[in-house]
Amino acid sequence: DPKIIQKPKYLVAVTGSEKILICEQYLGHNAMYWYRQSAKKPLEFMFSYSYQKLMDNQTASSRFQPQSSKKNHLDLQITALKPDDSATYFCASSHWGGRDAETLYFGSGTRLTV
Amino acid sequence: GEKVEQHESTLSVREGDSAVINCTYTDTASSYFPWYKQEAGKSLHFVIDIRSNVDRKQSQRLIVLLDKKAKRFSLHITATQPEDSAIYFCAARYQGGRALIFGTGTTVSVSP
Repeated sequence: DPKIIQKPKYLVAVTGSEKILICEQYLGHNAMYWYRQSAKKPLEFMFSYSYQKLMDNQTASSRFQPQSSKKNHLDLQITALKPDDSATYFCASSHWGGRDAETLYFGSGTRLTV
Repeated sequence: GEKVEQHESTLSVREGDSAVINCTYTDTASSYFPWYKQEAGKSLHFVIDIRSNVDRKQSQRLIVLLDKKAKRFSLHITATQPEDSAIYFCAARYQGGRALIFGTGTTVSVSP
């Protein structure tokens, strides 16, 4: 059973629209992350959250907004979509604190095409 | 911020030979260096890591070396098998943050 669930697996959007990518983890982790993988910039770090608080933000555009309604949820809202946003978006999670904090566990990704 | 450069974009080896992937990093304060594997059409999963207090670590057929002076670390896959074919990503965690910064990936192809 997948422990990190990302929905949907594939997503097609029109330019200018808004989409929400869903991520839920059932590993008991308290830190969650979003990464983006595209041909132009392989595996780019976007955000990290710990205990539902934003810890790191490497995404310049405010069009990308993470949303954490529960400790094990970290959704990604993308507004005013552009063709350049086309990528596979990976959610990941880990423990926060201690030596085990570093190991990230990845979801299967959402492939977004704009 | 931390930058990680992965030197080999592709690597082709014969089954049984060794494959070596090299990475360099920029932040001298980085202390944790994991490697991840991504098989075709799948997500990434952790394979091995090394921390800055050691310079060598082995897990079965995988060996990781760390040269802190040169800010370089490498993954050695020994006695390669067809199932080792995948994209391998090196990464570094910078001291001030929790996120991992990844290299650009190396596609390893193991032929019989």
